[in-house]
Amino acid sequence: AQKVTQAQTEISVVEKEDVTLDCVYETRDTTYYLFWYKQPPSGELVFLIRRNSFDEQNEISGRYSWNFQKSTSSFNFTITASQVVDSAVYFCALSDISGGSNYKLTFGKGTLLTVNP
Amino acid sequence: DTGVSQDPRHKITKRGQNVTFRCDPISEHNRLYWYRQTLGQGPEFLTYFQNEAQLEKSRLLSDRFSAERPKGSFSTLEIQRTEQGDSAMYLCASSLHSTNEKLFFGSGTQLSVL
Repeated sequence: AQKVTQAQTEISVVEKEDVTLDCVYETRDTTYYLFWYKQPPSGELVFLIRRNSFDEQNEISGRYSWNFQKSTSSFNFTITASQVVDSAVYFCALSDISGGSNYKLTFGKGTLLTVNP
Repeated sequence: DTGVSQDPRHKITKRGQNVTFRCDPISEHNRLYWYRQTLGQGPEFLTYFQNEAQLEKSRLLSDRFSAERPKGSFSTLEIQRTEQGDSAMYLCASSLHSTNEKLFFGSGTQLSVL
């Protein structure tokens, strides 16, 4: 069975601080995808990144960066110089591709990030 | 707006009643998904369609739940004889099956069963 653990339930930072959201996953599959989604108060899940299990290269997109380490089954997400607009719930997710779909996802419980001015 | 639309946004019903939700995916997307999210939890996969075919159903989808996508466009999710445990946000998402497939979510339907 697949499992995603986001140990941090809530994080509160002051604007401009860097913050890292942790994600640890479990799967028996050799091929899988990992994702991060953002859920602002409006409720709509916003796609942030998809990472293939064969690609361990770290990725940076503006103030966002992701550190994928297969050896520790972790896919951590860092926001640099956080802003109030980053306040949201962030979900890490893992795909089960056995049914032919890349998007049968197992989500973690999410981390509520609050960025204070 | 060309995103995923869900209707209604909120639904309050009494236990034992039937409810139906609608999802309109992004027009060219051939895959459609239903997820359920309860308070403080991440979304849980319920079912997905490729065109009009329902390809997979989660064990979470009891016999009281039925989903359809009759013409491969919009989809409906019906819950019969609702129970208080059905109270949740029901999320619809769609994607275009491709090498760079991305999943786009709607804002969800919040169901409250009294």
